[in-house]
Amino acid sequence: KQEVTQIPAALSVPEGENLVLNCSFTDSAIYNLQWFRQDPGKGLTSLLLIQSSQREQTSGRLNASLDKSSGRSTLYIAASQPGDSATYLCAVWAASGGGADGLTFGKGTHLIIQP
Amino acid sequence: ETGVTQSPTHLIKTRGQQVTLRCSSQSGHNTVSWYQQALGQGPQFIFQYYREEENGRGNFPPRFSGLQFPNYSSELNVNALELDDSALYLCASSGRYGAGPLGSQYFGPGTRLLVL
Repeated sequence: KQEVTQIPAALSVPEGENLVLNCSFTDSAIYNLQWFRQDPGKGLTSLLLIQSSQREQTSGRLNASLDKSSGRSTLYIAASQPGDSATYLCAVWAASGGGADGLTFGKGTHLIIQP
Repeated sequence: ETGVTQSPTHLIKTRGQQVTLRCSSQSGHNTVSWYQQALGQGPQFIFQYYREEENGRGNFPPRFSGLQFPNYSSELNVNALELDDSALYLCASSGRYGAGPLGSQYFGPGTRLLVL
């Protein structure tokens, strides 16, 4: 059974810092890994999707890497801003079950950027 | 392009009642998945529908059921509500055999269900 762990559970940093959020998963047989952002009481916004054959993806100040063999991904946020405050969720789409098992999520990292 | 929409936004029910939640998929997407997110937790996969048939299910009891319609919209039905069913219910659509990067899922804003 696929399990996803995110470290740290919470993080509070001053504005302008570069930061790294970590995600690990137990089964390397995945189709892809996706990072989401969730604002309080809201749905999920997709940030980056990395296919299993890719090593990284970039969008603006965000960069996500994937090391499938070690079961790890990192989300790098450059020059953090107060508007980046949210919960960041990592999810993998497992290849077992032919892709019909949905996404497996971690519990998220609650990020606060202090002005 | 219309995103994923869900209704209602909030709902209050009492234990033992039944509830129906609705979802409209993003244009061009033919697969719908439902997730339950308890407070402070990551979303948990309930089930997935493709071409009006359930083709994947998570660890949820049969009182959680669903439908997908020809226009790819979907319903989640929960019977015999329990207090632990209180959660945010999220719908996600994906273009498994068509639109979008393979496997990318687009989420709606969710329905907040409170069971008293």
